Order: sequence, then C-alpha cells, then structure tokens
Amino acid sequence: KQEVTQIPAALSVPEGENLVLNCSFTDSAIYNLQWFRQDPGKGLTSLLLIQSSQREQTSGRLNASLDKSSGRSTLYIAASQPGDSATYLCAVIQGGSEKLVFGKGTKLTVNP
Amino acid sequence: EAGVVQSPRYKIIEKKQPVAFWCNPISGHNTLYWYLQNLGQGPELLIRYENEEAVDDSQLPKDRFSAERLKGVDSTLKIQPAELGDSAVYLCASSFQGGGTDTQYFGPGTRLTVL
Repeated sequence: KQEVTQIPAALSVPEGENLVLNCSFTDSAIYNLQWFRQDPGKGLTSLLLIQSSQREQTSGRLNASLDKSSGRSTLYIAASQPGDSATYLCAVIQGGSEKLVFGKGTKLTVNP
Repeated sequence: EAGVVQSPRYKIIEKKQPVAFWCNPISGHNTLYWYLQNLGQGPELLIRYENEEAVDDSQLPKDRFSAERLKGVDSTLKIQPAELGDSAVYLCASSFQGGGTDTQYFGPGTRLTVL
C-alpha cells in the first residue's frame, strides 16, 4: 500500500527566505506526482505536476523535483512571501491506478 | 473558464438524517472524483467516474453512501443516514480524461458537520 509522508508538518519562516518542503513515498511505481496548495476553508489548487519520466518542473518561484528511485520529491519556494502561507500537499498516482494518494501536508507560515 | 462548482459549501445536520452534495465539473472533463478530507489529513478517494460509469468505488462505504453521475456531467453524493464520524470536508475534482497523467482540478468542498 502506497504511503506518502511530508516533513515537516509545519514550518514558519520570515519573508524573503528560500525554503524546501519534503515529500517521500514508499512505492516508486508511480505515474506522476503533484504538489497542491490548500488555503483555509478552500479546495486544492494544483501547483506542479511531474510525470514519472521527468526530474523537475518549474513555475515562477516554485520548483519541484522528483527522484523516483529513492521515493522522494521536494518543493522549493524562492523568496517566500506572506501570500505563500497555506498548507502544501504532495500526492502521487500509483501505476495501474488513477487514485491520488496524499500526504498529510505541510502548513507553511511566512511572517512579514 | 469556470472551475469545479460544489454546493452547498456548508451543511449542518443531526445524526441519522440524510444529506446530499452536488458537483458540477469543468466543462469537457470526462473524469470526476469525490474525495473525503478529515481534519489534518490529506484527501482520500471515495469514488471515480469515467463519464457515467463508476470505475473505482472500492473506498465508498456502500451501506450508507451512494453516488450518481447522470448524463456524465453533474454528480451527487449522498449519505443516508449520516453518523457523527461523517463530519469532514467532501471534495469534488475533475480531469480531462483521467489516465493518471492529467491534472485533477478541485472544487472548494462541502464542509459537513453532523451533530
């Protein structure tokens, strides 16, 4: 059974700092990995999707990497802003399935 | 482009009462998903539709939960009767064609409180 773990569970940083969120998964046979953002009381917003054949994806200040063999992904946020404060969720789709398996998320707070 | 629409946004009911949630996916998206999110947890899949067909309902508690997707567009998720443990956020998502490679787009969710 696929299990996704996110570390740390919570992170508080000053504005302008670069930061890294970590995600690990137990079964490397995945189709893809997605990073989502969830604001309080709202649904999930997809940030980046990395196909299993890719190593990284970039969007603006966000960069996500994938090391499938070691079962790890990182989300790098450059020059963090208070508006980046949210919960960040990592999810994988298992090969042979279309079900997203989520981690519990990392709650990020960026202080002005 | 309109996103995934869900209603109601909030629902408070007493235990043993029935409740229904509605979802309208993004236009043209063939695949529709219902997820359950408990507090402090990531979402968990309840059911996945490809057009009108429920292709994965293995996680749906069928003794009290039911779902339908008539005409392959809108979908309704029902709980009857509701229990205290059903208090959670119910999220609907859609993707263009599924297949494990498409981005899933999520609605804002329905927050259910069972008293």
